[in-house]
Amino acid sequence: DTGVSQDPRHKITKRGQNVTFRCDPISEHNRLYWYRQTLGQGPEFLTYFQNEAQLEKSRLLSDRFSAERPKGSFSTLEIQRTEQGDSAMYLCASSTGTGYSGANVLTFGAGSRLTVL
Amino acid sequence: DQQVKQNSPSLSVQEGRISILNCDYTNSMFDYFLWYKKYPAEGPTFLISISSIKDKNEDGRFTVFLNKSAKHLSLHIVPSQPGDSAVYFCAASVSGGYNKLIFGAGTRLAVHP
Repeated sequence: DTGVSQDPRHKITKRGQNVTFRCDPISEHNRLYWYRQTLGQGPEFLTYFQNEAQLEKSRLLSDRFSAERPKGSFSTLEIQRTEQGDSAMYLCASSTGTGYSGANVLTFGAGSRLTVL
Repeated sequence: DQQVKQNSPSLSVQEGRISILNCDYTNSMFDYFLWYKKYPAEGPTFLISISSIKDKNEDGRFTVFLNKSAKHLSLHIVPSQPGDSAVYFCAASVSGGYNKLIFGAGTRLAVHP
């Protein structure tokens, strides 16, 4: 078990381009979360999947953002027509969803840092 | 609406002394609280947690205290070590739902030799 993997670790793009991030959660975890973190702030919730179903989306997730988890395993987060305000660290986390502590403790990946020029 | 607040952006402590990091929350529905530690270029790492049915939880050098009436929790690190230098995030969740975590803005701890 290598933990939660995220790819790419760094992405520099020009304004208006599309970018896609991938997250591979811990294999037995059926819950997957995306967060965004900007400088000086804590992680902010973006969206949540239970298996392949996307059950909650934050108001932060504008129409330019889309997330999928097609087979209940890995997940992708796509940002279309990127803006400079999208520059942030995008964090993926997963959890087992079972047991009191197992449901509440999220394991995070190292994140994908996006810079929009 | 910031539901979890960490009002001290930074804290500097001498090695061997106690570090106390504070966190306040506003949502009375929160029933599970966690502390995460984050080093540069890494994701947050789970440190310690406490459920609302307890007022204290201890794990080695780390102790978390919960005061539900004040909607306040704190993390005590004793003794502090240089390797503890990191950003510490307080987080809260409502159990039984999606268990999404709501984070504070973090406190940067620097432990000096």
